[in-house]
Amino acid sequence: GAGVSQSPRYKVAKRGQDVALRCDPISGHVSLFWYQQALGQGPEFLTYFQNEAQLDKSGLPSDRFFAERPEGSVSTLKIQRTQQEDSAVYLCASSLARSSTDTQYFGPGTRLTVL
Amino acid sequence: AQSVTQPDIHITVSEGASLELRCNYSYGATPYLFWYVQSPGQGLQLLLKYFSGDTLVQGIKGFEAEFKRSQSSFNLRKPSVHWSDAAEYFCAVAPNSGYSTLTFGKGTMLLVSP
Repeated sequence: GAGVSQSPRYKVAKRGQDVALRCDPISGHVSLFWYQQALGQGPEFLTYFQNEAQLDKSGLPSDRFFAERPEGSVSTLKIQRTQQEDSAVYLCASSLARSSTDTQYFGPGTRLTVL
Repeated sequence: AQSVTQPDIHITVSEGASLELRCNYSYGATPYLFWYVQSPGQGLQLLLKYFSGDTLVQGIKGFEAEFKRSQSSFNLRKPSVHWSDAAEYFCAVAPNSGYSTLTFGKGTMLLVSP
């Protein structure tokens, strides 16, 4: 079956531009996570949704970052006024339910380069 | 705060040789433990996970990992490495209650020599 998909796969933005990154989770998955992976680093948690509710946004690095999942399926991560330090791969993951024991399935990521 | 340490940034192993990738964690209680693999252009794929019970867990692609509470370690092993195993490997922890926000190590890049 279809896995987690993300679009675009690559995005180049000029500093100061706004960008929107899309995540399509596996159908029926309740939980959705966003992670940021800087070059040479492991992924770092950004935010968590349970259905349409954003239950944890403690990892968002600044108020320029905003995420939504209005209908409990597709999610969008928006970055306003991009800065060079925002350059990273943004990973989306989904899991079937709400438990720590549920496997997170990751998408291929969106590589954002801010010039 | 929880943290994960993968002390080896790169490891080179000859094809057919055994492999051990190290992972140490810092957490107030016993967390849930995971190993993921990331190939170029691919998403992270779960190799195996430990929640409780038998401390030796088997995963996909012939990998296994052993949880050692006394050493706060969860090392990944494979008895015979194949060239297709070349990738980056990440150890991760999650709290043993609530939802599963993963905390990852910085990763170990595995290179396989002929």
